[in-house]
Amino acid sequence: KNEVEQSPQNLTAQEGEFITINCSYSVGISALHWLQQHPGGGIVSLFMLSSGKKKHGRLIATINIQEKHSSLHITASHPRDSAVYICAVAFSNTDKLIFGTGTRLQVFP
Amino acid sequence: DAMVIQNPRYQVTQFGKPVTLSCSQTLNHNVMYWYQQKSSQAPKLLFHYYDKDFNNEADTPDNFQSRRPNTSFCFLDIRSPGLGDAAMYLCATSRDLSGNTEAFFGQGTRLTVV
Repeated sequence: KNEVEQSPQNLTAQEGEFITINCSYSVGISALHWLQQHPGGGIVSLFMLSSGKKKHGRLIATINIQEKHSSLHITASHPRDSAVYICAVAFSNTDKLIFGTGTRLQVFP
Repeated sequence: DAMVIQNPRYQVTQFGKPVTLSCSQTLNHNVMYWYQQKSSQAPKLLFHYYDKDFNNEADTPDNFQSRRPNTSFCFLDIRSPGLGDAAMYLCATSRDLSGNTEAFFGQGTRLTVV
């Protein structure tokens, strides 16, 4: 069964803290996407990865194919990072993206 | 510049009154998707178009229809909205159906049914 689990569901942090959000999935994948959704709804694609690690500014995404696990890290967190972060997986046996339920992050000054 | 544009951002409709949500893209992508997202839930795929080929999810209610008159535009029609259809509706595009291509999302339309 194609399943995606994220943890934690909710996360609060003080400005400057290092943040880690986790995503686990059940079977083989074509790619894994990390998405950011701000209040008001719009979704922005942060990363798409199928192996290794990607970095963009203060954001780092890693994936371990053997362990079926990915992490999104935010270094030096800032209140503007407050959003819902969603892991979405393209499983090898389907064309569709399967979404996790998201991690709601709040960063306080 | 916005590449996937949804209109309107907020839509209020009466119970049972047909409503149409709009999505346009400037990316010339083959695939356009419509998702429904209820509060604190993951987006749920309703249907997608690959070019002119329409693909409906098995559990999408008949109340939801879609049209894609050309590459750039895709519409979501809700024939008789019920209170349970209140949600954020997200449009997305991708170059093709492979999960290895990036998806681009619109800002969403928040639908309220009164």
